[in-house]
Amino acid sequence: KQEVTQIPAALSVPEGENLVLNCSFTDSAIYNLQWFRQDPGKGLTSLLLIQSSQREQTSGRLNASLDKSSGRSTLYIAASQPGDSATYLCAVNGGGADGLTFGKGTHLIIQP
Amino acid sequence: NAGVTQTPKFQVLKTGQSMTLQCAQDMNHNSMYWYRQDPGMGLRLIYYSASEGTTDKGEVPNGYNVSRLNKREFSLRLESAAPSQTSVYFCASSVGVEQYFGPGTRLTVT
Repeated sequence: KQEVTQIPAALSVPEGENLVLNCSFTDSAIYNLQWFRQDPGKGLTSLLLIQSSQREQTSGRLNASLDKSSGRSTLYIAASQPGDSATYLCAVNGGGADGLTFGKGTHLIIQP
Repeated sequence: NAGVTQTPKFQVLKTGQSMTLQCAQDMNHNSMYWYRQDPGMGLRLIYYSASEGTTDKGEVPNGYNVSRLNKREFSLRLESAAPSQTSVYFCASSVGVEQYFGPGTRLTVT
């Protein structure tokens, strides 16, 4: 059974810092990996999707990398801002139509 | 486009009551999903529907039933609610690889 772990569970940093969120998964036979953002009391917003054949994806200040063989992904946030404060979720797709397996998330606070 | 919509946003039930959570998507997606999110547990898949007319169990299906009414709509039914079903329920849809989520329904069972 696929298991997804996110480290750290919580992170608080001053504004302007570059930071890295980590995601690991136990079964490397994935189809893709998706990073989401969740604001308190809200739904999930997709940030980046990396196909299993890709090494990284970028969107603005966000960069996600994927090392499928080692079962790891990182989300890099450059020049963090208070508006980046949220919970970040990592999820893997095993390739079927049977949904995503999620990590428990990293709760990020950016201090002004 | 509205994307994925869910009703209601909030609901309080007494133990033993029944209710149906509604989900609709306007993106012409084939696949739809129901997840629940609990503190410390992350999101877990309840049921999914790969296409209109098909449904399958996910990781935590006990106590729930689903109906894929048509391509747009996928409902989740609690026949006899239990306190353990207190959670936030998310519906999602996809065509191909990326999933899109609704805003969630916060359900409390007392």
